[in-house]
Amino acid sequence: AQSVTQLGSHVSVSEGALVLLRCNYSSSVPPYLFWYVQYPNQGLQLLLKYTTGATLVKGINGFEAEFKKSETSFHLTKPSAHMSDAAEYFCAVSDRGANDYKLSFGAGTTVTVRA
Amino acid sequence: DAGVIQSPRHEVTEMGQEVTLRCKLISGHNSLFWYRQTMMRGLELLIYFNNNVPIDDSGMPEDRFSAKMPNASFSTLKIQPSEPRDSAVYFCASSLQGAGEQYFGPGTRLTVT
Repeated sequence: AQSVTQLGSHVSVSEGALVLLRCNYSSSVPPYLFWYVQYPNQGLQLLLKYTTGATLVKGINGFEAEFKKSETSFHLTKPSAHMSDAAEYFCAVSDRGANDYKLSFGAGTTVTVRA
Repeated sequence: DAGVIQSPRHEVTEMGQEVTLRCKLISGHNSLFWYRQTMMRGLELLIYFNNNVPIDDSGMPEDRFSAKMPNASFSTLKIQPSEPRDSAVYFCASSLQGAGEQYFGPGTRLTVT
């Protein structure tokens, strides 16, 4: 069974500062990896995904994430935070090649951006 | 293209009443997932379907909950009878089998008094 750990349930950054959200997973095989963002009173929106190929993945709104197999990590970064980045962020994994298409979600990290 | 559509967006009902939540998948998608989100438990997968067939319903809390896919593009989640502890935001998500990523609807906020 897969599991996803997001380190830090809350992260506070200053506007213009680096955003770093940590995600580690456990899986017997390299999985598919995802980051989702949830703004208040909205559904989850896909930020980016890793399936195969280049390990540095770029997503929407200036976010990117790097898959590191040796560290079983998929950390999300953005060089310069904007006030509109305040939201909850979820890391998720699914088994590669399996017929089970469930996503295992982390507990989420709430990001606040200080002016 | 229209995303996942859920209705109603808000539902307030009294304990003991039947509640039906509705979801329309993205055209061409063949997997459908129902989730529940609360502050206490976070995001929980209730049930998912592949090609209209329920694959895993282990997350359904109890027999009061049931879900159906009467056709390839539509699903319902029914709670009968509803209880205050069912108050939550219910999301459905759809995906194209094999693609991995799921696309979420805007959610239905259910309040049971």
